[in-house]
Amino acid sequence: DTAVSQTPKYLVTQMGNDKSIKCEQNLGHDTMYWYKQDSKKFLKIMFSYNNKELIINETVPNRFSPKSPDKAHLNLHINSLELGDSAVYFCASSQDTGLAGGRQYFGPGTRLTVT
Amino acid sequence: GQNIDQPTEMTATEGAIVQINCTYQTSGFNGLFWYQQHAGEAPTFLSYNVLDGLEEKGRFSSFLSRSKGYSYLLLKELQMKDSASYLCAAMDSNYQLIWGAGTKLIIKP
Repeated sequence: DTAVSQTPKYLVTQMGNDKSIKCEQNLGHDTMYWYKQDSKKFLKIMFSYNNKELIINETVPNRFSPKSPDKAHLNLHINSLELGDSAVYFCASSQDTGLAGGRQYFGPGTRLTVT
Repeated sequence: GQNIDQPTEMTATEGAIVQINCTYQTSGFNGLFWYQQHAGEAPTFLSYNVLDGLEEKGRFSSFLSRSKGYSYLLLKELQMKDSASYLCAAMDSNYQLIWGAGTKLIIKP
C-alpha cells in the first residue's frame, strides 16, 4: 500500500509548456505539502494545505498553482515552464498542523526536466 | 533570519560511529527533526527532540541542546545502507519546519 503517491515520476518537457503533477495520500492525514528540491538537494517548502485550505504559500512564482479537490489530494500545476523549474518535486503529508506537522510522509518525488 | 547549518558531506568507515552536527537559529522553537534521504528517494523521518538530552533508537541516537541551538545525530555500527543524506529541520514558533541543506554521508568498506 503506497501511503503518498505522485504521478508522474519523471516529466521531461520544453520551456513554455504547462504541466501538472498529481499527489494522493491514503493515510487519512489532514495536511499536505509541496516541496522543491534542487540540484544542491536543498528542500524548499512551496505550499501547504490543511483540510483543503491553503495555509503556507511561500515566495513562489504565480506560475505555480496548487489545487486541493479534497484533503487526500494536492495537485500542482505549473504554467509557462522555465529552465530553472527543473528539480525534483516532493509531495508530503502529515496528520495535522502544529507539532504533528513535523512528522511528514513524503511521496517518491517527480523529477521535472525542462529543456 | 532563520537558519540551519550542517556539514555538506562526511565520510566514515563501515562498522564505525559517526556524529552529524546541526546548529539552528529559529524564531521560537518547537523541536528538532532528523530525516534520512537515500539517493533518488524520498526523505523519511528518523527522530524528534524537543527536550534537552539524548534520544536513543537502535543504532541511531539524536541529541539536543536548546541553550546552544545544537543537535547531533549519532549513527553506530555503520552499515553500507546508511549511506544517504541526513536532513536536519527545526520547527519554529509558527510550527513551520526550517530545513537544512542536508549532510551527505559516505560509508566506505
